[in-house]
Amino acid sequence: QSVLTQPPSASGAPGQRVTIPCAGASSNLGGNYVYWYQQLPGRAPKLLIYQNNQRPSGVPDRFSGSKSGTSASLAVSGLRSEDEADYYCAAWDDSVRGPVFGGGTKLTVL
Amino acid sequence: QVQLQESGPGLVKPSETLSLTCTVSGGSLSPFYWSWVRQPPGKGLEWIGYIHYTGETNFNPSLKSRVTMSLDTSRNTFSMNLSSVTAADTAMYFCARERAFDSWGQGTRVTVAS
Repeated sequence: QSVLTQPPSASGAPGQRVTIPCAGASSNLGGNYVYWYQQLPGRAPKLLIYQNNQRPSGVPDRFSGSKSGTSASLAVSGLRSEDEADYYCAAWDDSVRGPVFGGGTKLTVL
Repeated sequence: QVQLQESGPGLVKPSETLSLTCTVSGGSLSPFYWSWVRQPPGKGLEWIGYIHYTGETNFNPSLKSRVTMSLDTSRNTFSMNLSSVTAADTAMYFCARERAFDSWGQGTRVTVAS
């Protein structure tokens, strides 16, 4: 059971926009930044979004993040086949006194 | 661009200690935090702990009693020990930079079996 809650799967057709939600609590998303990671099949995770909505250099602007209260979401617009991956949200948790992850969402491009 | 590379045994016997090292190239250990994250087969990510370049450590409460971490600035490496391993510790182990995990190693697969 992960501290942050994500749906196990999401899907969309090429070119469409998909949103992946992440639900938390006051001890994590409620007062701390959310981070998003993309894990391509057989690869290490990669930082996709940091501090709620910032993109590291090299991440396409098709990826965007937002946070409101104890919920956050990752949006992927203009879906491409190479976006098929597992996506994880994470945040610092004041109770755990460390980072916690969501269970991950497998994104399928139809 | 910083690069991280995990190393260690791929097979550990139950009740023994798992020892992994992460070699950092293209950058210094200072002034960063250095983390370990694991992923059991077919499952999600779990934070194990981190060590600051000053030596400060912090561990996941669920693993705290079995984990130690250290760093070697002369070799630009940091290490993790996980004691009394069981089959539940079988996973891909990743090292990463910072508590936000902004750079990752490729991971090393560890199997706990006799």
